Amino acid sequence: QVQVVESGGGVVQPGRSLRLSCAASGFRFSSYGMHWVRQAPGKGLEWVALISYDGSNKFYADSVKGRFTISRDNSKNTLYLQMNSLRIEDTAVYYCATPLMAFLINSPLDYWGQGTLLTVSS
Amino acid sequence: EIVLTQSPGTLSLSPGERATLSCRASQSVRTDSVAWYQQKPGQAPRLLIYGASSRASGIPDRFTGSASGTDFTLTISRLEPEDFAVYYCQQYGSSPPLTFGGGTKVEIK
Repeated sequence: QVQVVESGGGVVQPGRSLRLSCAASGFRFSSYGMHWVRQAPGKGLEWVALISYDGSNKFYADSVKGRFTISRDNSKNTLYLQMNSLRIEDTAVYYCATPLMAFLINSPLDYWGQGTLLTVSS
Repeated sequence: EIVLTQSPGTLSLSPGERATLSCRASQSVRTDSVAWYQQKPGQAPRLLIYGASSRASGIPDRFTGSASGTDFTLTISRLEPEDFAVYYCQQYGSSPPLTFGGGTKVEIK
């Protein structure tokens, strides 16, 4: 069955960097765009970034643009989020999510991982 | 960027009652590009409705989505104990960014 498992969260100081990973299985990873969505403690959902199925197109929320980089390795069925210049307000659970429809940029999010917690604190 | 405003913030109802959740877009949204998600404490969101009115796989028919212009509605016909949760609308029709509403919490009265 479809599984996406995030890893790499932890506690980091402001200004530092961290890379999150998302291991996917149970579906043709290379046919699906992939998303990162985050949720600050006690808050709502915030879309963070999207990468197209082949990695040729990347989109970011304004709040992370220029600091975060989304990438993927289709040979490893893995999605990444490189986060630089971290801020306290980046503290959140980070989810990776697969779209319902293959190849499409405009698609709802079907499968979600359980998330990985990033805490940015001095 | 399209802003989605959900109301009410909290809905207090009893099991068996009908729940009506609203999501209003700040500008025109493709009516076939709105989704609803359910999230329970400590869990990831779950897709309920997409295309404004299509139920996702395995979603019971007590969940119904509808659209009228820039207004989108999720109706739960008869609340079951497992339906008490937070619900988010989302638009995915315009170019990214995708946006979520702020959420409506459905709590037990």
